Amino acid sequence: QQPVQSPQAVILREGEDAVINCSSSKALYSVHWYRQKHGEAPVFLMILLKGGEQKGHEKISASFNEKKQQSSLYLTASQLSYSGTYFCGTGVGNTDKLIFGTGTRLQVFP
Amino acid sequence: ETGVTQTPRHLVMGMTNKKSLKCEQHLGHNAMYWYKQSAKKPLELMFVYNFKEQTENNSVPSRFSPECPNSSHLFLHLHTLQPEDSALYLCASSQVSEEFSGYTFGSGTRLTVV
Repeated sequence: QQPVQSPQAVILREGEDAVINCSSSKALYSVHWYRQKHGEAPVFLMILLKGGEQKGHEKISASFNEKKQQSSLYLTASQLSYSGTYFCGTGVGNTDKLIFGTGTRLQVFP
Repeated sequence: ETGVTQTPRHLVMGMTNKKSLKCEQHLGHNAMYWYKQSAKKPLELMFVYNFKEQTENNSVPSRFSPECPNSSHLFLHLHTLQPEDSALYLCASSQVSEEFSGYTFGSGTRLTVV
């Protein structure tokens, strides 16, 4: 089942914060976050496996709620390099298959 | 070469043509994947190969035919495509072990069917 991402698009000034959400109606085995810049390959950011888990560093981090039905990606003090489309991918059980959300387009301006 | 390399980067083909997309990974991974990325749609899983064996065919039309001759190479053979098949085709690889740690994607092949 495809996860739902929100918002669809975000426009920021440098230094502002953003939150991107990824939700499912069923408990997820895992959540992966990727960023894709225009014309480039999607790049792996992080994976969350456990309910209540938080991961990342102070600038880009993510959480997985206790019920494992929602994950949020936190972008703090955004930089121009953060611009791109962010995708969450949800694991299909303990397998290597991922179902991706529709993506959130993030644009950071000076 | 490092990472995952896809060729060609761009391809324009007629509906009666036959062409192939190539993917090569230099990471020593044991699994490879084809995804389709269309405008305003999520990434769609097409095929999965673990240890060169196809483990997933996600209801993909037979005009798309994958081939995985070894764990480093993956092909997608195309024939009699339709205009709606125009999209970015992404290859990815991963190391499948006790824990799945995510994909490394190639930059994709932008396919236009005319």
